[in-house]
Amino acid sequence: QLQLQESGPGLVKPSETLSLTCSVSGGSISSSFYYWGWIRQPPGKGLEWIGSIYYSGNTYYNASLKSRVTISLDTSKNQFSLRLSSVTAADTAIYYCARHLRLVSTPLDHWGQGALVTVSS
Amino acid sequence: QSVLTQPPSVSAAPGQKVTISCSGNTSNIGNNFVSWYQQLPGTAPKLLIYENNKRPSGIPDRFSGSKSGTSATLGITGLQTGDEADYYCGTWDSSPTVVFGGGTKLTVL
Repeated sequence: QLQLQESGPGLVKPSETLSLTCSVSGGSISSSFYYWGWIRQPPGKGLEWIGSIYYSGNTYYNASLKSRVTISLDTSKNQFSLRLSSVTAADTAIYYCARHLRLVSTPLDHWGQGALVTVSS
Repeated sequence: QSVLTQPPSVSAAPGQKVTISCSGNTSNIGNNFVSWYQQLPGTAPKLLIYENNKRPSGIPDRFSGSKSGTSATLGITGLQTGDEADYYCGTWDSSPTVVFGGGTKLTVL
């Protein structure tokens, strides 16, 4: 049974960098079958895709966030991570990690429970 | 402003049928598969429909999907109070990017 779990600080100061890690169990992020992604949801609002990564390190990013986002893999720990720089209050959201059904163009079939990150001084 | 357009809310009585629409354009829905997600209150989204009309294992056949041109529709029959949730459509856009609708809140009266 594939499981994903987000972890990281719940509070980040404005202008600093948000860092989250997604730990994957029950499957390998080194599999050539799947892309792995990050999605966020501001309180009371809809879903926004942030970006996704392949086992080879190939990445796709949301153009509106691309200048501030880095997604990376740590295959030794079976984890992938999100870094979002120069955060503002608008980046306050629940951040989800998820697995694509196959390629980045396919839907997200397994999701983590989400991690609330608040940007505030 | 979401790339895909959904009605903010729909409602129906228990046992009835409801449909939720999702409208896009040729760069997204028109040339790609559509998926639907159910988000129960306080939980993560769950994949409900993929490739326009396929259901993952464990999803009851009360849930169905269809697509025509640049629009897609989610149908739910035999409504139950447990179906009260937010529903999101999603697809790939040629930008390239994953895009979602703004979400539709389903109320079972």
